[in-house]
Amino acid sequence: DTAVSQTPKYLVTQMGNDKSIKCEQNLGHDTMYWYKQDSKKFLKIMFSYNNKELIINETVPNRFSPKSPDKAHLNLHINSLELGDSAVYFCASSQDRGRQETQYFGPGTRLLVL
Amino acid sequence: SQQGEEDPQALSIQEGENATMNCSYKTSINNLQWYRQNSGRGLVHLILIRSNEREKHSGRLRVTLDTSKKSSSLLITASRAADTASYFCAAGGNNRLAFGKGNQVVVIP
Repeated sequence: DTAVSQTPKYLVTQMGNDKSIKCEQNLGHDTMYWYKQDSKKFLKIMFSYNNKELIINETVPNRFSPKSPDKAHLNLHINSLELGDSAVYFCASSQDRGRQETQYFGPGTRLLVL
Repeated sequence: SQQGEEDPQALSIQEGENATMNCSYKTSINNLQWYRQNSGRGLVHLILIRSNEREKHSGRLRVTLDTSKKSSSLLITASRAADTASYFCAAGGNNRLAFGKGNQVVVIP
């Protein structure tokens, strides 16, 4: 059973396109996250949702829009893709946002913008 | 904001040796966590140490936390080839985890 799953695993697209990455967790967690990992492996939080409510919105271009239809899903839509968006995007979930407990990560989506 | 920073960033050791990694952070925390990332995979949680704890063990892992110095260390004893991975510390506080840049550890069989 996959705890946190992401689709697609690989995404190759042209500059200017719009794309979405989907994330689902079956752990019953209330909080979900999106992270961006750059080529130097630096992991930076982008967004966090708690029970469908946005609680963290870091300095991310507004071309990035998260959507949480329910607490088990947190999707990431990216408009007008740019070369600098190329990275690995990780979804994660945790039980309780307040105590910053263990986070469970998905396998990542490798985005390459040409 | 909190920022974990590991030191050193790359470590190459022989199988059976111990590997030690250090991490520093800048602000107050609720806990300090360590994660492992194998090549091409997601991060996997290894161990969590709370701000009121000084040392914690889990199998071959030993974590220390010094809140006065705002630093933590991860020791992997009797390393195995399967321990080859990147290791990240993450400072927990302010509703988020702040991850460091990661240490690449290569264990040579």
